[in-house]
Amino acid sequence: QVQLQQSGPGLVKPSQTLSLTCAISGDSVSSNSAAWNWIRQSPSRGLEWLGRTYYRSKWYNDYAVSVKSRTTINPDTSKNQFSLQLNSVTPEDTAVYYCVREDNRRYSYWGQGTLVTVSS
Amino acid sequence: DIQMTQSPSSLSASVGDRVTITCRASQNISSYLHWYQQKPGKAPKLLIYAASNLQSGVPSRFSGSGSGTDFTLTISSLQPEDFATYYCQQSYSIPRMFGQGTKVEIK
Repeated sequence: QVQLQQSGPGLVKPSQTLSLTCAISGDSVSSNSAAWNWIRQSPSRGLEWLGRTYYRSKWYNDYAVSVKSRTTINPDTSKNQFSLQLNSVTPEDTAVYYCVREDNRRYSYWGQGTLVTVSS
Repeated sequence: DIQMTQSPSSLSASVGDRVTITCRASQNISSYLHWYQQKPGKAPKLLIYAASNLQSGVPSRFSGSGSGTDFTLTISSLQPEDFATYYCQQSYSIPRMFGQGTKVEIK
């Protein structure tokens, strides 16, 4: 059974960097059949896909245009986890952030969610 | 980007009612459409994948249909645990997009 455990701070100051980590159990971040995504949810934006990383003989990334210039999603094969870094945050980045496993183009496993508030 | 539009945005229903939620894509997405259920404070849960396939462990009162641009989620007999918000999501292309959600409330 795949489990995703998120960690990271719940409060970030404006202009700083939001950093979250998702630890994977029951699967490998280097799986050739899965992709590892970050999705956020807020009342104003609903469910918003941010990006993903996946391995198909080499590593690939995709990002949403709205956050591409500020976002990095990285795998960590030594710890079997992946991370999200979102730079230069504003209060509009306040949301619940989820890490999600994608297989066969569907989101079958979700982390528990982390409420991140951007405030001074 | 492919836009996903759900209707209605909310509905009130009674236990035992048949409930139908629709989702429309802004362009043809074949059957790359999935449905999720979300309860307050919880992550979304996959119910239906590829338009009409029931995810393992999901009760058979849930069903999905459609292809192309128009899709439907049906709950044949609403149960107390089904009061939640439901989302559709397309996986035809990047960026993956979700509908705005349909909140099913108790009448």
